[in-house]
Amino acid sequence: ILNVEQSPQSLHVQEGDSTNFTCSFPSSNFYALHWYRWETAKSPEALFVMTLNGDEKKKGRISATLNTKEGYSYLYIKGSQPEDSATYLCAPNYGGATNKLIFGTGTLLAVQP
Amino acid sequence: KAGVTQTPRYLIKTRGQQVTLSCSPISGHRSVSWYQQTPGQGLQFLFEYFSETQRNKGNFPGRFSGRQFSNSRSEMNVSTLELGDSALYLCASSPRDSSTDTQYFGPGTRLTVL
Repeated sequence: ILNVEQSPQSLHVQEGDSTNFTCSFPSSNFYALHWYRWETAKSPEALFVMTLNGDEKKKGRISATLNTKEGYSYLYIKGSQPEDSATYLCAPNYGGATNKLIFGTGTLLAVQP
Repeated sequence: KAGVTQTPRYLIKTRGQQVTLSCSPISGHRSVSWYQQTPGQGLQFLFEYFSETQRNKGNFPGRFSGRQFSNSRSEMNVSTLELGDSALYLCASSPRDSSTDTQYFGPGTRLTVL
């Protein structure tokens, strides 16, 4: 059974704070890492798909890095806003011709105005 | 383009019954995956279909089954429902069966088993 760990489990920050989360995953047979943002009562929204060691992706105030050799990824949010409040999920993929994702349990971010 | 749609959005069933959930992918997408979300287990992979063929199945009992039609729409069926099957069932679509394709999720079907 593949174990994907995310930390912290939850995080409360003030508006304007910058924050980061960690996703740890088994590195053997790794193909890609997906990050999602899941707001309450909405569908999970794709943020990034990352494949290469040292890869860095950015979308507005959110960025992510990937280390495939040691099996971890960091997600950063710069200047958090209340609308960033959501659960952030990472999900590695371990096969080339498959969409099967192994999800972590997520980091719940609450940004207070 | 319309997003992924799932019907019904909410279902209440009793133990022992069976249920069928439907997922319509984004137009042009040929891959559909299903996930179960429960408070204790998080999002767990159920099945993956591509071009009407099941490509992968998660660690779920045989009561969980699915299929995909020629128009890429997919259904999943749960027979002999148990209390523990109460969950949010999400489907996701993507253009291909590729690890690097972004998957787009639907709003889910909330199943309650009484």
